[in-house]
Amino acid sequence: NAGVMQNPRHLVRRRGQEARLRCSPMKGHSHVYWYRQLPEEGLKFMVYLQKENIIDESGMPKERFSAEFPKEGPSILRIQQVVRGDSAAYFCASSPGQGENGEQYFGPGTRLTVT
Amino acid sequence: AQKITQTQPGMFVQEKEAVTLDCTYDTSDPSYGLFWYKQPSSGEMIFLIYQGSYDQQNATEGRYSLNFQKARKSANLVISASQLGDSAMYFCAMRVLNTGFQKLVFGTGTRLLVSP
Repeated sequence: NAGVMQNPRHLVRRRGQEARLRCSPMKGHSHVYWYRQLPEEGLKFMVYLQKENIIDESGMPKERFSAEFPKEGPSILRIQQVVRGDSAAYFCASSPGQGENGEQYFGPGTRLTVT
Repeated sequence: AQKITQTQPGMFVQEKEAVTLDCTYDTSDPSYGLFWYKQPSSGEMIFLIYQGSYDQQNATEGRYSLNFQKARKSANLVISASQLGDSAMYFCAMRVLNTGFQKLVFGTGTRLLVSP
């Protein structure tokens, strides 16, 4: 039973380019969460999605960031016109449901470096 | 608002000794869950242990135990018989259960160094 998959594991982008981060949840999981970890900090919640719906995006920056979780395929976190401050580790987690059954399993993360 | 506080930026322990990593939390919701994660230098987040707010007993998982003191709003992680491989960052996190939003709130972490 494969765990949460994220790719790429490392991504380098120049300022102004776009970054696309992919997350494939565990089999049977329909809930996906994205977190960002800045250097030397804890993880900060960005967005919570279910299939085809954004449930909570209270942690997403208002501009340049978007997320989707289509009916088919992985969840995508998209960052347009990246800046140096976007350099961070981006973690995806998935869960089978909510509440007591909402245990979140984390992927290995994507480390984004903006040069 | 929910908040997790980890006041120890770094901890040192000798191999085979026990160590306690502190975590306090703040929430007004009666139903919540508390988690500890380990992040080694390779960067992945490894789930260690979970405590539900209504659990009567402290959670244990092998060498890990959670010292849950609800009145004090603390959920300290105890690692017994430390090993060199325990050197890592450790994060405490909380999730409020009775809302539609399932996000985890993390503390700033404690870096544990185990010496021979």
